[in-house]
Amino acid sequence: GAVVSQHPSRVICKSGTSVKIECRSLDFQATTMFWYRQFPKKSLMLMATSNEGSKATYEQGVEKDKFLINHASLTLSTLTVTSAHPEDSSFYICSARDRGSPRAAIYFGEGSWLTVV
Amino acid sequence: KQEVTQIPAALSVPEGENLVLNCSFTDSAIYNLQWFRQDPGKGLTSLLLIQSSQREQTSGRLNASLDKSSGRSTLYIAASQPGDSATYLCADNQAGTALIFGKGTTLSVSS
Repeated sequence: GAVVSQHPSRVICKSGTSVKIECRSLDFQATTMFWYRQFPKKSLMLMATSNEGSKATYEQGVEKDKFLINHASLTLSTLTVTSAHPEDSSFYICSARDRGSPRAAIYFGEGSWLTVV
Repeated sequence: KQEVTQIPAALSVPEGENLVLNCSFTDSAIYNLQWFRQDPGKGLTSLLLIQSSQREQTSGRLNASLDKSSGRSTLYIAASQPGDSATYLCADNQAGTALIFGKGTTLSVSS
């Protein structure tokens, strides 16, 4: 199946610093990528939808200036958590829609654990 | 607005048992129905995708069906194994928008 790679898989950062998470579609082109956040034993929470070459669309309650999303190419989207605080500690997952698939399947990355200390 | 429901929230079965996971949705104008598996602390793995024009898809021991008229999809797992233990999520895969997920069914298969 199609592969979506997320990096880093785990990151620890100090409060006040910024951290970038990358999401790459390795073997397909993705015009649309989605970023989710997940707390332990909870459902995925959609944060934003990013389309290649345009600004991301954020869900209600998600701070645009805190969670910067860039979708610079058809295979790469990045999520930057700016001025991170301990409450930003969470599991972040990206997904990508395979534009070449007639069934428009969506594939997920392995997720990134962020711990802010 | 589409709502996706999965019942039960948790299921425990002994190894070797065949089982069915249920997924219901309120809007029958479904584009694709996609089933995923999530292991603890991991991302989601796509299992099967059923297009709206299809009634079922099969992959190995997994069979997913789609009945739009009744607003239901089922995931059948044959001869369950401990390695099948995970949370199973179904989602309405609408073109151009994010997936609409159910809350998932957490399956535990004991050896």
